[in-house]
Amino acid sequence: DAKTTQPTSMDCAEGRAANLPCNHSTISGNEYVYWYRQIHSQGPQYIIHGLKNNETNEMASLIITEDRKSSTLILPHATLRDTAVYYCIVFTGTASKLTFGTGTRLQVTL
Amino acid sequence: ETGVTQSPTHLIKTRGQQVTLRCSSQSGHNTVSWYQQALGQGPQFIFQYYREEENGRGNFPPRFSGLQFPNYSSELNVNALELDDSALYLCASSPIDRKAGNTIYFGEGSWLTVV
Repeated sequence: DAKTTQPTSMDCAEGRAANLPCNHSTISGNEYVYWYRQIHSQGPQYIIHGLKNNETNEMASLIITEDRKSSTLILPHATLRDTAVYYCIVFTGTASKLTFGTGTRLQVTL
Repeated sequence: ETGVTQSPTHLIKTRGQQVTLRCSSQSGHNTVSWYQQALGQGPQFIFQYYREEENGRGNFPPRFSGLQFPNYSSELNVNALELDDSALYLCASSPIDRKAGNTIYFGEGSWLTVV
């Protein structure tokens, strides 16, 4: 599975959009981009995933560049409960081996 | 709520002992995988079970073993516990059709402390 690069930490004011970037320059054609988050001491929570097109669900939006070498997770109106470590992972989705990097620690503040 | 249930939530064991952790996967999910997450690090893949057989393994010694049952639930067994085995153990399940783009759901994990 391709490796990803994310900033170590980010801050965001409550109510503002949080934009979390991820680089995955070695992604292959059959690999999806997945985002999970982990709130302290809990299991990773699935957020969203996509292959080529931008995706949106009730939690977030995923913007994937045309060359698929990078993506951005957008939390449109961040709240204090969105404070967590966010992991960007690329894999095919046909197996359960997810390779977690160090993720981005998002701190949402008042 | 992911439908993936793990037990126990917390336990303390002594070095050298053995431990069994349990996982009930989400309904309709036949692939179960286990991860170890040490404090301050991301989860590390231990192994995966599909149709009751190990189907992929990470860089973990043989004293980490597992089982999957006909109802797709699973166990993780760790023998000869070491202090470094102290971690959060996560179970994850994915759907039966295993097609590309499936979502993998995690349980809340079992916290193991080895003293």
